[in-house]
Parts: sequence; C-alpha cells; structure tokens
Amino acid sequence: QTVVTQEPSFSVSPGGTVTLTCGLSSGSVSTSYYPSWYQQTPGQAPRTLIYNTNTRSSGVPDRFSGSILGNKAALTITGAQADDESDYYCLLSMTSGIWVFGGGTKLTVL
Amino acid sequence: EVQLAESGGGLIQPGGSLRLSCAASGFTVSSSYMSWVRQAPGKGLEWVSVIYSAGSTYYADSMKGRFTISRDNSKNMLYLQMNNLRAEDTAVYYCARVQYSNWFDPWGQGTLVTVSS
Repeated sequence: QTVVTQEPSFSVSPGGTVTLTCGLSSGSVSTSYYPSWYQQTPGQAPRTLIYNTNTRSSGVPDRFSGSILGNKAALTITGAQADDESDYYCLLSMTSGIWVFGGGTKLTVL
Repeated sequence: EVQLAESGGGLIQPGGSLRLSCAASGFTVSSSYMSWVRQAPGKGLEWVSVIYSAGSTYYADSMKGRFTISRDNSKNMLYLQMNNLRAEDTAVYYCARVQYSNWFDPWGQGTLVTVSS
C-alpha cells in the first residue's frame, strides 16, 4: 500500500521561509505524479495552491511555490504571514484512477 | 462561476445506507472527471472515489464493494451511495472536479456523515 509522507507539523516565524515536503514510503516523487498542494483552515474546504508540481492556482500569492527537491515534492512559503497558519496537504496522482493524499502538515506561524 | 454543493449527510446507524449528492454549476459533470474525498474528524484528507467522463469508476480499497459513485447527466449531479456504513466512515465528504486527470478543483463545502447508534 502506497503511503504519502508529510511532516506532521512545522513552525515558521513571520516573514520567514519554510519548505514542506511530500514523499513516498517506497520510491521517489517525480513530476510524473503531478503533485498538487492544498491549504485548509479549520471548518473550511481545501483550497488549491499548486498543481502540476509548480503551477500556482488562480489567486494564489507568489510567496507560495512548488518544486521537486531530491526525491520529494516540496511546497515553499517565502515570507510567511500569519494567515498562512493552516494545514497543508499534498496529493499524488498514482496509476490510472487512483490518487493518494499525504497525511498533512500543520503549519504554525509564530 | 464554477461551483459544487454537497448535500445528503446526516446521522445514520451502523449498517445503514446513505446517498450523498453534489450539485454542479458552471460546468458539465458528464464531461468531467469527478471525485469524492472525505475527512474524518481531526484527521487528514482521504481520496474515496472517481468517475471518469467515459463512465469508468474507481475506489479506494477500503470503500470497494460498499460505496458506489454515479452521476445524473440530466440534472448535472454527482452521487455517492454508501452502504453498510461503519463508525469509521464518519467524516465530512467533499466532492471535487478533477482537473486534467491530476488535481482537484474546485471543491464543495462538504457534508457531514455521522455513523453512530
């Protein structure tokens, strides 16, 4: 069974830079998995931030960026703001008809 | 504007059945890949099922045989029929459009399903 791994929690200072990662329990994440990233605040539906590894969704500030770092997908927030405090989920497109979410990272800005 | 709105959630006893609905506006469900995603209380997102524009359907392993995804093209609606519900199926269920086979957007606001006696 494929497990998509994310850091359970992360902390960043206001104005700082943080990189969240998304890996596989077995193997490497590449662009072929079309990684996407979602932001979710309590009680709200997920919001699409990044798709196809590094394309920002409409209206997403450019302080959010996506990439492949080593064998993982990565979401970098440059110049973190207080309202970036959220849960972040990555999603990988596996074989046809199967998608897997990572467990999510709770980001604290303090 | 492209929008999704789920309905049909509620309290159901273990072993019971429930059908969730997702009303789409601004695009055609039958021409899209559509998916269901759930989130148990305090937990992460879990992909549930997808229906392709051609009609093929796929499910996460834990839902196979109990859940059925379908659509009504005339009503532009997506459905999730859930049978033999268990306590662990308690979650907020979201519908989402699958863009270019790879990412989910937009998302509905979700509907809460509580399985409890």
